[in-house]
Amino acid sequence: DAGVIQSPRHEVTEMGQEVTLRCKPISGHNSLFWYRQTMMRGLELLIYFNNNVPIDDSGMPEDRFSAKMPNASFSTLKIQPSEPRDSAVYFCASRTAGRGETQYFGPGTRLLVL
Amino acid sequence: QKEVEQNSGPLSVPEGAIASLNCTYSDRVSQSFFWYRQYSGKSPELIMSIYSNGDKEDGRFTAQLNKASQYVSLLIRDSQPSDSATYLCAVGYSGNTPLVFGKGTRLSVIA
Repeated sequence: DAGVIQSPRHEVTEMGQEVTLRCKPISGHNSLFWYRQTMMRGLELLIYFNNNVPIDDSGMPEDRFSAKMPNASFSTLKIQPSEPRDSAVYFCASRTAGRGETQYFGPGTRLLVL
Repeated sequence: QKEVEQNSGPLSVPEGAIASLNCTYSDRVSQSFFWYRQYSGKSPELIMSIYSNGDKEDGRFTAQLNKASQYVSLLIRDSQPSDSATYLCAVGYSGNTPLVFGKGTRLSVIA
């Protein structure tokens, strides 16, 4: 299996620009998670989906952040407009449903907003 | 509020020694426990999972769980410089809910 795929791997943009991060979960996994990681705050859960349905988006920091999962094999996280404080590494993770199931992480997208 | 606590470190151990990493969690209904390793600039990767009280061994790694004390640990025997990384403790709950992660402990193995 190819594992969780994320793109782009690196993104440098200017403040105010729209940023779209993409994720392809592991085939057969029906839960998908978006995380943000910074030195100060560690790994923060932003939003997660079960069977393509958003379940909890309470971790999304502001209305500038939005996420979609139009089908079982694709999800996007969008930031519009981006700000320097959004600079972080964004991880996507997936797993099969059920108690005790492991979450598998993608390689991450390193975002720098200038 | 479900919380997972870890010492941030750094924890420095000499090569060949045993590294002991600790984690406490706040919610007694926790059901599954995981240790992830994260190298600098990389994503977290699972190295151990444990679901019942006691010890679970896998090569040089041993996970220990004590639900009464709400405590889980990871022992790394014969530590190698390649073990230098941040170790994240994660706790799972019933239903299809996300794992809750600690902030991680940075381990440095000195050659």
